[in-house]
Amino acid sequence: KAGVTQTPRYLIKTRGQQVTLSCSPISGHRSVSWYQQTPGQGLQFLFEYFSETQRNKGNFPGRFSGRQFSNSRSEMNVSTLELGDSALYLCASSLEGTGSSGANVLTFGAGSRLTVL
Amino acid sequence: GEDVEQSLFLSVREGDSSVINCTYTDSSSTYLYWYKQEPGAGLQLLTYIFSNMDMKQDQRLTVLLNKKDKHLSLRIADTQTGDSAIYFCAERGSSASKIIFGSGTRLSIRP
Repeated sequence: KAGVTQTPRYLIKTRGQQVTLSCSPISGHRSVSWYQQTPGQGLQFLFEYFSETQRNKGNFPGRFSGRQFSNSRSEMNVSTLELGDSALYLCASSLEGTGSSGANVLTFGAGSRLTVL
Repeated sequence: GEDVEQSLFLSVREGDSSVINCTYTDSSSTYLYWYKQEPGAGLQLLTYIFSNMDMKQDQRLTVLLNKKDKHLSLRIADTQTGDSAIYFCAERGSSASKIIFGSGTRLSIRP
């Protein structure tokens, strides 16, 4: 079955602009998590969605937002871009959601690489 | 709070064993994971271990968990050039929907 698909793969924006990234999870997966990966900070948790509800949120400013649709596809938005937002944004999906006692294994997409100039 | 720490670099000779270490702080961790990231790609799950286990073996991979010391390790036997990658340790703690990752260990292989 198809893996996690993220679009676009690469994009360049300028400071002050906004960006929307898209993630299509594996069919049947209802949980989608977003991470920001930078060389200095490693992999930082942004948020997790399950059945269109945000279940958990990391320590990012309000400029970072997301949503999930009824088909489990998710988008994240970053407004008023700053140079420090340049990063690889990774989306991951999993079968289980909050409260699951299972392993909740995440399957990652290839990421969207954002460059802010 | 939840934190996962790993050393940033490891260099081993081809054919030797690689041991990548990780420490975590959340004593309520239920599952611990090892992921691999190759250049230009997302993260790929290698293996995971439930917190009530102390060892798991899967072909060339051996995971050891010391829950008392909150220490996790990944041993790769007979390391090959294809094992060059960044290895991430991760833990699922008290919040089941949030998986916290370490900063990754870059494994390089010497001929």
